[in-house]
Amino acid sequence: GAVVSQHPSWVICKSGTSVKIECRSLDFQATTMFWYRQFPKQSLMLMATSNEGSKATYEQGVEKDKFLINHASLTLSTLTVTSAHPEDSSFYICSAIHKRSYGYTFGSGTRLTVV
Amino acid sequence: GEDVEQSLFLSVREGDSSVINCTYTDSSSTYLYWYKQEPGAGLQLLTYIFSNMDMKQDQRLTVLLNKKDKHLSLRIADTQTGDSAIYFCAERNTDKLIFGTGTRLQVFP
Repeated sequence: GAVVSQHPSWVICKSGTSVKIECRSLDFQATTMFWYRQFPKQSLMLMATSNEGSKATYEQGVEKDKFLINHASLTLSTLTVTSAHPEDSSFYICSAIHKRSYGYTFGSGTRLTVV
Repeated sequence: GEDVEQSLFLSVREGDSSVINCTYTDSSSTYLYWYKQEPGAGLQLLTYIFSNMDMKQDQRLTVLLNKKDKHLSLRIADTQTGDSAIYFCAERNTDKLIFGTGTRLQVFP
């Protein structure tokens, strides 16, 4: 139990286009999901907290107009990287709190490459 | 601050024990976690410890928590080549997880 599915696993897009990443909780309801960004050989940086039915809470320094988060249902949160640029290339990971395990279940990540 | 520090690299021989250390700064953290990340993959929860515990053992894994020194460690007994990965400690602050810098564990035969 407590599976989080993240799609796509990898995506290559052209500069200036937008990319949507989906994060789904498959067997539990996730009222809160989190989006992280990870640069090569670095730790995970929390970008924002996604709350079902309300606006996301962004961490300091993260552009909310650049990284649009939508959490329209209890099982789905999406991250849209708008007008992507090469510096947005990174590994993006979502997670959801699963209270049964006292832990956070993570998606498998999305590697975004902007060319 | 919310800095969570780990040593960058650890190399051990197969069959030996590995000890990965972590220091954190937020004394109000309720839970502390250890995650494993293999190349190109998401994070796998290994174990967690509640802040009022000193030790937790789960098969080959032993977690020690020194709350006074804000020090957390993960001991992996009988380390195998499949344990080679990056290990992250994380502290829970309200609902947020703050990750450590990560330790790359390399296991050689």
